[in-house]
Amino acid sequence: EADIYQTPRYLVIGTGKKITLECSQTMGHDKMYWYQQDPGMELHLIHYSYGVNSTEKGDLSSESTVSRIRTEHFPLTLESARPSHTSQYLCASSTGGSNEQFFGPGTRLTVL
Amino acid sequence: DAKTTQPNSMESNEEEPVHLPCNHSTISGTDYIHWYRQLPSQGPEYVIHGLTSNVNNRMASLAIAEDRKSSTLILHRATLRDAAVYYCILKGAGSYQLTFGKGTKLSVIP
Repeated sequence: EADIYQTPRYLVIGTGKKITLECSQTMGHDKMYWYQQDPGMELHLIHYSYGVNSTEKGDLSSESTVSRIRTEHFPLTLESARPSHTSQYLCASSTGGSNEQFFGPGTRLTVL
Repeated sequence: DAKTTQPNSMESNEEEPVHLPCNHSTISGTDYIHWYRQLPSQGPEYVIHGLTSNVNNRMASLAIAEDRKSSTLILHRATLRDAAVYYCILKGAGSYQLTFGKGTKLSVIP
């Protein structure tokens, strides 16, 4: 059973608000990832981190930012939410010794 | 990254075997073949991976062609809980990132 958590699971918010999507894992994994997935579409990597104080942008350009101050925590922030940010955001983690990425349940964000 | 090609959708009867194909004709010698699946309203979950030899685990089997240009994920007895989108992904040795395609949507008929 994967121990990776995302909160909130659902968020409906107005345009212009600042939001932070939380992701935590209790497996001690050094690598963490954020994916964005529109309904019925494939996942796109938007951010990743290979360790504390290390963050990189993924294949899909995103206006969001991330931070990695603690190994277990990898929050994603949108400074000013817009309707185009409406999507599902999935967090994942892995460790160097494993080929497997563990995914959280996702956050469904709707920006009105 | 080398790309994979999968059928958009497949159907299977419950309790029958399912063979999900994946073509990857541009695979490099160091690419591993990974399979993930995504159940409705959930994040993806790892299924299986392999390099050259066929692989078995509690969830599925992976059959890899001798030239490695194609592979097949085998679910031995499909259940309703196996209805999901199945993704075939190539991952280079030493790479930690996954590139998801559209996958195959598997429907299981009771």
